[in-house]
Amino acid sequence: EVQLVESGGGLVQPGRSLRLSCAASGFTFDDYAMHWVRQAPGKGLEWVSGISWNSGSIGYADSVKGRFTISRDNAKNSLYLQMNSLRAEDTALYYCAKGGASSTRGQCDYWGQGTLVTVSS
Amino acid sequence: DIVMTQSPDSLAVSLGERATINCKSSQSVLYSSNNKNYLAWYQQKPGQPPKLLIYWASTRESGVPDRFSGSGSGTDFTLTISSLQAEDVAVYYCQQYYSTLTFGPGTKVDIK
Repeated sequence: EVQLVESGGGLVQPGRSLRLSCAASGFTFDDYAMHWVRQAPGKGLEWVSGISWNSGSIGYADSVKGRFTISRDNAKNSLYLQMNSLRAEDTALYYCAKGGASSTRGQCDYWGQGTLVTVSS
Repeated sequence: DIVMTQSPDSLAVSLGERATINCKSSQSVLYSSNNKNYLAWYQQKPGQPPKLLIYWASTRESGVPDRFSGSGSGTDFTLTISSLQAEDVAVYYCQQYYSTLTFGPGTKVDIK
């Protein structure tokens, strides 16, 4: 059974940093791309970032480019999102999602339950 | 970036009736080299993460009931629920993965 468990969310002040983690199990992690998708309270889905199976291809939404960094550790079956210079508009539930392919050009076929990030003073 | 739009914003359908949701992309998501449309549909129920329903515009994910179907090509796509059930009340999103992923704004489906 595929499981994705996010952690690392919490309350943080504007301008500060936070690192999210996603622990994956139940599939061959290094065969698939992974993504972070967020959802602000009461709003729709926004893709944040994606990383290919070997970290060779990485993409970011314009809204986070230059502030967020995605990475993965295939030996640990883990995905990360380093979030710097956080803003109030980054407040959201952050989902880890498994890609349906090795490249980032694929659907998201499994999702975690999400970790909540709240940016507020 | 490719912009996705959906219509309607919300709809209410009687149990057993058909529900139709439209999705439009700002540019074609049909990749000519493999003739595939890079378009997926997701269902999100309150308090739950999204669930993949359809990919390649019309391929049903394993375990998804056959009352859900996807159609369309290029820039115009449709998700159809042939006979709405109570458990289908949710928000539905389209998403393109032709380039950096983008989602539509969502369509809320309720029971009339």
